[in-house]
Amino acid sequence: QITLKESGPTVVKPTQTLTLTCILSGFSLSTSGEGVGWIRQPPGKALEWLALIYWDDDKRYSPSLKSRLTITKDTSRNQVVLTMTNMDPVDTATYYCAHRRGYSGYDLYYFDNWGQGTLVTVSS
Amino acid sequence: DIQMTQSPSSLSASVGDIVTITCRASQSIDRWLAWYQQKPGRAPKLLIYKASDLETGAPSRFSGSGSGTEFTLTISTLQPDDFATYYCQQYSSYSVTFGQGTKVEIK
Repeated sequence: QITLKESGPTVVKPTQTLTLTCILSGFSLSTSGEGVGWIRQPPGKALEWLALIYWDDDKRYSPSLKSRLTITKDTSRNQVVLTMTNMDPVDTATYYCAHRRGYSGYDLYYFDNWGQGTLVTVSS
Repeated sequence: DIQMTQSPSSLSASVGDIVTITCRASQSIDRWLAWYQQKPGRAPKLLIYKASDLETGAPSRFSGSGSGTEFTLTISTLQPDDFATYYCQQYSSYSVTFGQGTKVEIK
């Protein structure tokens, strides 16, 4: 059974850097074909994809946020970390990590298992 | 980025109704489309992938169709558990994008 769980601060100040951790269970990011993504959702708004990391350390970023995002993995601890710099109140959202399901050798994917999400509020 | 537009943004329906939600892509995405259901305070749940493949465990009253730029999600007989917000997601490019959501409310 695949599960994911996000953790991180509930409040960050404007201009600070946000660091979120996703703990993985039921699969390993050292296994060929695996990937984990981050998606966020501002209160009452739609989902927005942020980043994805593959088992081979290949990474993908949202073009509009690429300059502010870094995604890394720690295979030994089975976790994925997302950092977002220069936080602003508009970044207030629930942040989800999710397991990628796709097609081996193709950069095509959707998300079949999601964490519960963690609400991050940006406020001074 | 490929833009995804859902319609309607919200709808009211009764238990037992047939409900159809449309998702349009700004360019052809072949059949690389997924549908999710989200209830308040919960994470999205995968319903449909590759436009029409039903996710294991999803009720058979949910079905998807379409290709290219126009897609539909149909709920054949609306159940009380189906009142939620539904999102489409294209995965034709690595920069996946979601629709703005369709909220299905009780009439």
